[in-house]
Amino acid sequence: NAGVTQTPKFRVLKTGQSMTLLCAQDMNHEYMYWYRQDPGMGLRLIHYSVGEGTTAKGEVPDGYNVSRLKKQNFLLGLESAAPSQTSVYFCASNPDRVDQPQHFGDGTRLSIL
Amino acid sequence: RKEVEQDPGPFNVPEGATVAFNCTYSNSASQSFFWYRQDCRKEPKLLMSVYSSGNEDGRFTAQLNRASQYISLLIRDSKLSDSATYLCVVIGSSGSARQLTFGSGTQLTVLP
Repeated sequence: NAGVTQTPKFRVLKTGQSMTLLCAQDMNHEYMYWYRQDPGMGLRLIHYSVGEGTTAKGEVPDGYNVSRLKKQNFLLGLESAAPSQTSVYFCASNPDRVDQPQHFGDGTRLSIL
Repeated sequence: RKEVEQDPGPFNVPEGATVAFNCTYSNSASQSFFWYRQDCRKEPKLLMSVYSSGNEDGRFTAQLNRASQYISLLIRDSKLSDSATYLCVVIGSSGSARQLTFGSGTQLTVLP
């Protein structure tokens, strides 16, 4: 009963390094999302996808890229990490129905030094 | 004005108290509403959906007021384990895509 799985759970990077966060869901959901959450703040949408092969910008997309080559996977990339990207990243998914809530992964804690 | 607004709190209440949170939304065409809870450094988890007629799940009652554009969450007989941040979520549609907006959360601490 995996649901939404994020890897890695923790990562420390140096400024300028690149990395990719993986989100995988086994519920056949159409929609997938990447959020960041900073201390004392709510969730902010980075990018989202409404289906395989599609992506769209959210509220705070700068410095991130995403890809949805397979329906079950949504990748978040940092090409050149900056300290301002230190955050907790959550992935979420839901079916394409307006009455269905999101299911979240348990987060990736990323520190950029 | 933010699309979804919540009182950030914190709400500090004694065990056994009744506490209520409100969440206002600006888009009158919003279609679905939910309450999530988020424990410190954990992912948000669905607490309950909010239906037009109001709904109850044990000690928790959710209500929707479309005329005034707010949803509420009432917690009765608060437990220490209810301490968390409560997020409201409002879902609407824009063309063919759904738009989902989180409130920034209300922090609740239940004191022994």
